[in-house]
Amino acid sequence: GAGVSQSPRYKVAKRGQDVALRCDPISGHVSLFWYQQALGQGPEFLTYFQNEAQLDKSGLPSDRFFAERPEGSVSTLKIQRTQQEDSAVYLCASSMGRNTEAFFGQGTRLTVV
Amino acid sequence: QKEVEQDPGPLSVPEGAIVSLNCTYSNSAFQYFMWYRQYSRKGPELLMYTYSSGNKEDGRFTAQVDKSSKYISLFIRDSQPSDSATYLCAMSGNQAGTALIFGKGTTLSVSS
Repeated sequence: GAGVSQSPRYKVAKRGQDVALRCDPISGHVSLFWYQQALGQGPEFLTYFQNEAQLDKSGLPSDRFFAERPEGSVSTLKIQRTQQEDSAVYLCASSMGRNTEAFFGQGTRLTVV
Repeated sequence: QKEVEQDPGPLSVPEGAIVSLNCTYSNSAFQYFMWYRQYSRKGPELLMYTYSSGNKEDGRFTAQVDKSSKYISLFIRDSQPSDSATYLCAMSGNQAGTALIFGKGTTLSVSS
């Protein structure tokens, strides 16, 4: 596709529910990043993939957060047993490779009630 | 102290004004510097991408990096109402796959 695509755009989850957020990166982009953006804040790094390998997951806030990219293309961020503090916009970005420009998707706005 | 500091504003200017947006940082390992524009309920859109120190110009936008002062700037000339958005600075080191570290963003409003 022409850009990074994320789905769903909006998700409302009841506390304790599991959610899965999808990211379709730009075709051919090797690197894929997930960020979390709280209201009024800049995005904060969650995890990084190079192809199918998850090379950095130091930003994941708890073991309830899990990300995968099994075939080196589409990625899924899963949050188990959602809590209210998980409410945020989750952004996916992709780039061609090392230290090249990263392009962001529109984000998924998660609201936990 | 956060690694990247950015005044959140808001910053209000009349149409046609020159806008100056700034960030300071503390990590001398940062080598790549970016400015993103984010409209409400949209993802960040890359505006400028620079490596190391120096200036880069693209249309009405000029990005400056001063590594000796750990200070970066974005100038917008002849500002337009369509420039009203949040501007995020971001930077990264020189390792493969290094994550971007963002500022909080500065909210800009340009009135006609």
